[in-house]
Amino acid sequence: DVKVTQSSRYLVKRTGEKVFLECVQDMDHENMFWYRQDPGLGLRLIYFSYDVKMKEKGDIPEGYSVSREKKERFSLILESASTNQTSMYLCASSLAQDINEQFFGPGTRLTVL
Amino acid sequence: GQNIDQPTEMTATEGAIVQINCTYQTSGFNGLFWYQQHAGEAPTFLSYNVLDGLEEKGRFSSFLSRSKGYSYLLLKELQMKDSASYLCAVHSKANQAGTALIFGKGTTLSVSS
Repeated sequence: DVKVTQSSRYLVKRTGEKVFLECVQDMDHENMFWYRQDPGLGLRLIYFSYDVKMKEKGDIPEGYSVSREKKERFSLILESASTNQTSMYLCASSLAQDINEQFFGPGTRLTVL
Repeated sequence: GQNIDQPTEMTATEGAIVQINCTYQTSGFNGLFWYQQHAGEAPTFLSYNVLDGLEEKGRFSSFLSRSKGYSYLLLKELQMKDSASYLCAVHSKANQAGTALIFGKGTTLSVSS
């Protein structure tokens, strides 16, 4: 079974802090994705990556950056957390560009105070 | 722009049949996914359609009409455990670089006894 894990289920940070959200997948998938999910807005794509050291902006990249130094790991970084970044963050991976069934991690509920 | 529409909420009773509709307008089309998401959990894959027609998988079926930009998810013999959010997602062009899943806002289905 594909397993996608995220470093924390719940996280509380202060405004202005730098926040790292880690995601690891164990099935050698090429593609990895970061979404945030908010009530009434659904899942919105923040960043995605097709390969190591590659990154592409999604629909809402502002205020975020990402890092993919190893194939299995995709990190989402909030350089200076703000209260409007309080959300559920979901990581996903898929095998390849033309095989886009995505497998999701359990999510990280981030609260910025 | 890219747009995926589905009803916000639906209610049904145990044993009934419910149809959740999804219409989409996207930049390109490489397939349509349905995901199920229980409250507080990650989305899980239900079905995938890339050609027109009906795909059946047990109590769940999914239909696609590419010419109409329309899909539906049909749930038969409803059970209480089917109470969840159902997400429609289109594999489409995300930016100049490549493709990603574009999600609708989800339909919350409540099944009562």
